[in-house]
Amino acid sequence: KAGVTQTPRYLIKTRGQQVTLSCSPISGHRSVSWYQQTPGQGLQFLFEYFSETQRNKGNFPGRFSGRQFSNSRSEMNVSTLELGDSALYLCASSWTSGRQETQYFGPGTRLLVL
Amino acid sequence: GQSLEQPSEVTAVEGAIVQINCTYQTSGFYGLSWYQQHDGGAPTFLSYNGLDGLEETGRFSSFLSRSDSYGYLLLQELQMKDSASYFCAVRGRDDKIIFGKGTRLHILP
Repeated sequence: KAGVTQTPRYLIKTRGQQVTLSCSPISGHRSVSWYQQTPGQGLQFLFEYFSETQRNKGNFPGRFSGRQFSNSRSEMNVSTLELGDSALYLCASSWTSGRQETQYFGPGTRLLVL
Repeated sequence: GQSLEQPSEVTAVEGAIVQINCTYQTSGFYGLSWYQQHDGGAPTFLSYNGLDGLEETGRFSSFLSRSDSYGYLLLQELQMKDSASYFCAVRGRDDKIIFGKGTRLHILP
């Protein structure tokens, strides 16, 4: 079974631009979560989607948004990019959104904002 | 607020045993998970503790004490390939998943 895939793997943008990142979960998984990882800050929770509905949202500004499609694929969008948005963005999927669900991570999209 | 504390770095010798601690403060608690991440790689699940006690999976064990808001990951018979960052994570009452900032494990030959 294929793992979680994320596209693109690397991205360079300039301040003020917007970006859309894509995540395809493991087949059959209905929950997708997004994280931002930066050196020194670890993984910070962005949002979680289950069956096309946002279940939860982390403490990020409204410039960060996401959605999930009927096939469970998910996208996240960052508008008006800032230098501080440079990070590794990780997507993780799980079967459901239960509290004991193991999360399976994708390889991430490394975003550099210049 | 909700937070997890774990040491930023730990160093151990190949073949030895190392323990990585994690203390948490959350508004609710539904279990402690551990993930491993090698440089340039994605985090991978290692273990989960929903109840107090020890869970063993091969060379790795994880312990939880809910009364102390404390857990640890124990790695035995360390191998060079265990050099990685290790994260503890909890899902709190608000269902948000929180990760610690990670512990970088250095293994000396």
